[in-house]
This record gives sequence, structure tokens and C-alpha cells, in this order.
Amino acid sequence: QSVLTQPPSASATPGQRVTISCSGSSSNIGSFTVSWYQHLPGTAPKLLIYSNDERPSGVPDRFSGSKSGTSASLAISGLQSEDEAEYFCAAWDDSLSGPVFGGGTKVTVL
Amino acid sequence: QVQLVQSGAEVKKPGASVRVSCKASGYIFIDHYMHWVRQAPGQGLVWMGLINPRGGTTIYAQNFQARVVMTRDTSTSTFYMELSGLISDDTAVYYCAREANSGYHDFWGQGTQVTVSA
Repeated sequence: QSVLTQPPSASATPGQRVTISCSGSSSNIGSFTVSWYQHLPGTAPKLLIYSNDERPSGVPDRFSGSKSGTSASLAISGLQSEDEAEYFCAAWDDSLSGPVFGGGTKVTVL
Repeated sequence: QVQLVQSGAEVKKPGASVRVSCKASGYIFIDHYMHWVRQAPGQGLVWMGLINPRGGTTIYAQNFQARVVMTRDTSTSTFYMELSGLISDDTAVYYCAREANSGYHDFWGQGTQVTVSA
């Protein structure tokens, strides 16, 4: 059971928008910034969003992040077939004195 | 470009130890903490601990404190994670992940499969 809660799956057709939620508590998301990662099996996870809503260079602006209270969201607009992957969130946690992660959301492009 | 290249898959018997390496390149080795994270089959990611490459100091997650040792070799820009007293529940993919200077992980290794089986 992961500390941060994400839906196990999400899907949409090409061109549509999909949103993934990440729910935590006051000791993690409520107190620290959230990052999001894209993960394809057998490869290194890739940073998509950091500091809640910042994109590293090279990440398309189709990916956007937001945070409110103890929850955060990742939105993918203009969905493309290459976006089919698992996405997970992360935040520092005061209780653990380390980072905690979501269980991951598998995005399927229909 | 930043690269973290991990060692290959391991199969170990219960009670044994495993050492996973993570060779860093493309940046100044001592400038970034390195974390270790694992993912068991069907489970989420779990943080194991971190090492400061500048002095080698470590912080371990409570759940692993008694069994894990993280080290680094500055001459080869390589990090190591050794887990002892392996049990079947330690079967997982182990990742090294570089910490950007703001708490998040900006680069990850490709993962190392560790299988514990009698």
C-alpha cells in the first residue's frame, strides 16, 4: 500500500485530455512540493513535473501539474500514443524523513 | 548528458546479500545526493535511503536500517547499495535516483532486478 494514493488506471482517445490524481496528507503533499514521473517497463523513470507545476526542459507543454492542499494532479492534454505509460507522483514526507511515492497510474491510449 | 547505469540482474538465495552498483556520469559526482528506491512486483515504489557523495554520510529508511549499507567510490563515480539477510519479499527492482538540489529526483537508473529464491 503506497503512501500517496493514485487511481490504478486512466484512459482516453488520442487528442483528448486525461487527468491523474495523487492524494496524500499534511506530512507530505500538504507540506512539500510534488513531482511526477513517466515510467515505461524496463526503462528509467523520467521526470515530467517538479515543484508542483514546473517542467524540465524537453518535456512537452502538454504535460502540466497542479497542487491544492493535500492533493495534486497531472494533466496530459492532446494525448498521443507515445504517452501510454505508467505515471507516478512523489513528495517528501516529514514522518518518514524521506520521499514517498504513489502506486502509479497506467495510462492507456484507446 | 547525465547517465546512471546500474549493474545487471541478480538471483540470490534467502539469507544471502546482494550488492547493486550505479555508475554516474555527465555531472560532478559530489554535487548531488543519490537515493535508492525499490519496487516489488505489483507494489509501489519504496524509499530505502540516501548517500551524500561528498562525505559518504548516509540516511536509511527505518524499515531497512538494520540490513542496508550504501557507499560510494569517488574514484570511479560509482554508488553501491548492499542489502543483507535477503528474504523472498526483497524480490524487487532496485533503482538509484539522483536528487536535484530541491528534493526531487531528476535522473534515475534503469533498474536492477533482484530475485530471492531458494
